[in-house]
Amino acid sequence: QKEVEQDPGPLSVPEGAIVSLNCTYSNSAFQYFMWYRQYSRKGPELLMYTYSSGNKEDGRFTAQVDKSSKYISLFIRDSQPSDSATYLCRGSNYKLTFGKGTLLTVNP
Amino acid sequence: EAQVTQNPRYLITVTGKKLTVTCSQNMNHEYMSWYRQDPGLGLRQIYYSMNVEVTDKGDVPEGYKVSRKEKRNFPLILESPSPNQTSLYFCATRPGQATGELFFGEGSRLTVL
Repeated sequence: QKEVEQDPGPLSVPEGAIVSLNCTYSNSAFQYFMWYRQYSRKGPELLMYTYSSGNKEDGRFTAQVDKSSKYISLFIRDSQPSDSATYLCRGSNYKLTFGKGTLLTVNP
Repeated sequence: EAQVTQNPRYLITVTGKKLTVTCSQNMNHEYMSWYRQDPGLGLRQIYYSMNVEVTDKGDVPEGYKVSRKEKRNFPLILESPSPNQTSLYFCATRPGQATGELFFGEGSRLTVL
């Protein structure tokens, strides 16, 4: 079993929708989690960073961690076409294990 | 400006012809890593380096070599490329061994015929 699992989608939503992106993890030693956003033909860029014990909000984005179920989520409120990208989650280990990424398309 | 620079960005080559993809960073980061990204498989780590002269295998090291003779450079070497190494390759760096944001290069799209 991979340490981080992520449904690759694709996910297509209308503009303004609330988007929920999810990952599960198996390594209880992860101390923090990161979400990266990758636009087409670009390298991934860090979007959100949250410790395993809490949630974090940044504008329209909220990252949540549920340690009991080993579930991490990224919520996007009022989604915009510019949010269309692949979103990747990763746990904090030295091997830097990523989920497969979820391709999100927000339609105008 | 903080940069991770990969070269070449695009390459088409033939089976068996040795090639090197270079990665250079100007942030004095200790940690450097190579990933390949394939549809349906996501980002998979090939090799990583904790510091100069310290390298280790990632999840998919077969067919690749790396070296870390100086801090800023971490080249990826394909001694005898095969078609299954056709992929999008990313170099990534971060400040330390255990913490910090990963900075990615722009990617190198390699096609092996």
